[in-house]
Amino acid sequence: GAGVSQSPSNKVTEKGKDVELRCDPISGHTALYWYRQSLGQGLEFLIYFQGNSAPDKSGLPSDRFSAERTGGSVSTLTIQRTQQEDSAVYLCASSLARRNNSPLHFGNGTRLTVT
Amino acid sequence: DQQVKQNSPSLSVQEGRISILNCDYTNSMFDYFLWYKKYPAEGPTFLISISSIKDKNEDGRFTVFLNKSAKHLSLHIVPSQPGDSAVYFCAVGGGATNKLIFGTGTLLAVQP
Repeated sequence: GAGVSQSPSNKVTEKGKDVELRCDPISGHTALYWYRQSLGQGLEFLIYFQGNSAPDKSGLPSDRFSAERTGGSVSTLTIQRTQQEDSAVYLCASSLARRNNSPLHFGNGTRLTVT
Repeated sequence: DQQVKQNSPSLSVQEGRISILNCDYTNSMFDYFLWYKKYPAEGPTFLISISSIKDKNEDGRFTVFLNKSAKHLSLHIVPSQPGDSAVYFCAVGGGATNKLIFGTGTLLAVQP
């Protein structure tokens, strides 16, 4: 069965450029999360979508970061004017329910390197 | 201010022995606790969970223990196998939050 799919798997970009990361969640999963993992760090929450509700953006580190979820399915995370500290693995996850006791299913991530 | 801490960045265990991974949290409002396992170049995969109404949950070789008064949970793997070598993250949720808060992970190496 199809899991969470993320693309690209790797992205190298120059400082100052914009990047878009894509996430295809598991079909039927209403909740979608973006996390990132910087080198030597844990998973840092970025943003959460649930159905048609307003997203929880409390984890976005700056206004250069934004995310959309179209049609309740595919999500894109956009980073504008990338900085070197944005280098990390960006992980998308989806789950069946809003309740936080529904396990998250993660994609394999996008490794972003800002040079 | 880290709300979830895994104080051991790494752990090495002999095959067949017990692996014990620890996790501490700060907020008593958390009521759901999970462990995830991560191999290199893959996303984390869900391993086992426990809710705050229990103090133990077992699934095969994996057992999670919760000590609410100490705000501490642990994952026991017995017997450990080389294929268990991975990074293990604890995660907590509950209260007013919809998100899971993850620890920094512990790299487990099981030596054959």
